Amino acid sequence: DAMVIQNPRYQVTQFGKPVTLSCSQTLNHNVMYWYQQKSSQAPKLLFHYYDKDFNNEADTPDNFQSRRPNTSFCFLDIRSPGLGDTAMYLCATSLRSMSGPLNQPQHFGDGTRLSIL
Amino acid sequence: SQQGEEDPQALSIQEGENATMNCSYKTSINNLQWYRQNSGRGLVHLILIRSNEREKHSGRLRVTLDTSKKSSSLLITASRAADTASYFCGGGSYIPTFGRGTSLIVHP
Repeated sequence: DAMVIQNPRYQVTQFGKPVTLSCSQTLNHNVMYWYQQKSSQAPKLLFHYYDKDFNNEADTPDNFQSRRPNTSFCFLDIRSPGLGDTAMYLCATSLRSMSGPLNQPQHFGDGTRLSIL
Repeated sequence: SQQGEEDPQALSIQEGENATMNCSYKTSINNLQWYRQNSGRGLVHLILIRSNEREKHSGRLRVTLDTSKKSSSLLITASRAADTASYFCGGGSYIPTFGRGTSLIVHP
């Protein structure tokens, strides 16, 4: 089945130690997103890619970066994680038609639960 | 970006009852979407309603949209224990952003 897969499902890392979360998709969607969701809070958009075009939300912390080497894969890099970065990180995809709106239905992975110790 | 705000924050009902959740948004939209999130999982897209639609059905789900009041509602009829989840709305012409959701508990 076509899907969005996030690895790992659970990640524990030390304060300040760089960590990379990965997302892959078999949907061939041209838009990929990263969200941060803290406990009982709203998913917060960090950034998205429309094809290779990277878009950073204004309030995304500087130590959060992303890479999209090809259509299928997207990575979230946290350069120096702090305790406040403990959260669920969700990857999502959608298909945007040429010049069409971005607000198309999104397909989410099951997330990576990141704990910073 | 648009933000959906869901209400109530929590809803607890018995199996078989109907569940109604509301969503308000701030500025104009071209569509509004509802998602479900089971505990520890990602969001699942449920239904999309366009700004020129007033009501939409999908199985046991019924969504209404009132653009004059900038509000939407999601009705789940004949609820089941498996409907226990958080429900989010998101709308706009850009990437939908979400509120804290409505946490629905359906007791068997």
